[in-house]
Amino acid sequence: EAGVVQSPRYKIIEKKQPVAFWCNPISGHNTLYWYLQNLGQGPELLIRYENEEAVDDSQLPKDRFSAERLKGVDSTLKIQPAELGDSAVYLCASSLDASGGKDTQYFGPGTRLTVL
Amino acid sequence: QKEVEQDPGPLSVPEGAIVSLNCTYSNSAFQYFMWYRQYSRKGPELLMYTYSSGNKEDGRFTAQVDKSSKYISLFIRDSQPSDSATYLCAMSTFLAAGNKLTFGGGTRVLVKP
Repeated sequence: EAGVVQSPRYKIIEKKQPVAFWCNPISGHNTLYWYLQNLGQGPELLIRYENEEAVDDSQLPKDRFSAERLKGVDSTLKIQPAELGDSAVYLCASSLDASGGKDTQYFGPGTRLTVL
Repeated sequence: QKEVEQDPGPLSVPEGAIVSLNCTYSNSAFQYFMWYRQYSRKGPELLMYTYSSGNKEDGRFTAQVDKSSKYISLFIRDSQPSDSATYLCAMSTFLAAGNKLTFGGGTRVLVKP
């Protein structure tokens, strides 16, 4: 079974440019998460989707970040415009069913963003 | 102060030694405790999961939770060079719907042959 797929794996952009990351979750997983991981830190949740609905986006900086999950499968995370401080790894994870608080999350390899 | 604290390491041990990792937390509402392993340039992968105080064993790995002290541990017996990675603890509260994980900062482990 294929795991969580993310692309691109690496992205280098100039500050103020837009950038987008794509995630394909494990087939059948209803819940999708986007995390931000700074160097030497643990992942921090940006947004969580239940099917196509964003049910927790409280940590998403909405002035420059946006996300969508069309048809409740693939998801895209966008930054516009990017700032130097956005350099980090962006991780996507999925789980079968998030209810109950103990569902296993499976992570993709991440997209490493460098903003120059 | 962060909700979950974890010594960043690095922790260097010889092959075959026991690796001891731990996290402390401040939120008494955390009920589920996990350990993830993250290799360089990879995403985290779940190693162990527990929700009760006490010990849980899985092969060479033992997870320990002490809710009264707000302290969790992971022990790796007979460590191998392939265990060299960053180990992240993660925790969550019981939610009617949703599973927000709060991670520690990770401890980098190096097992030397």
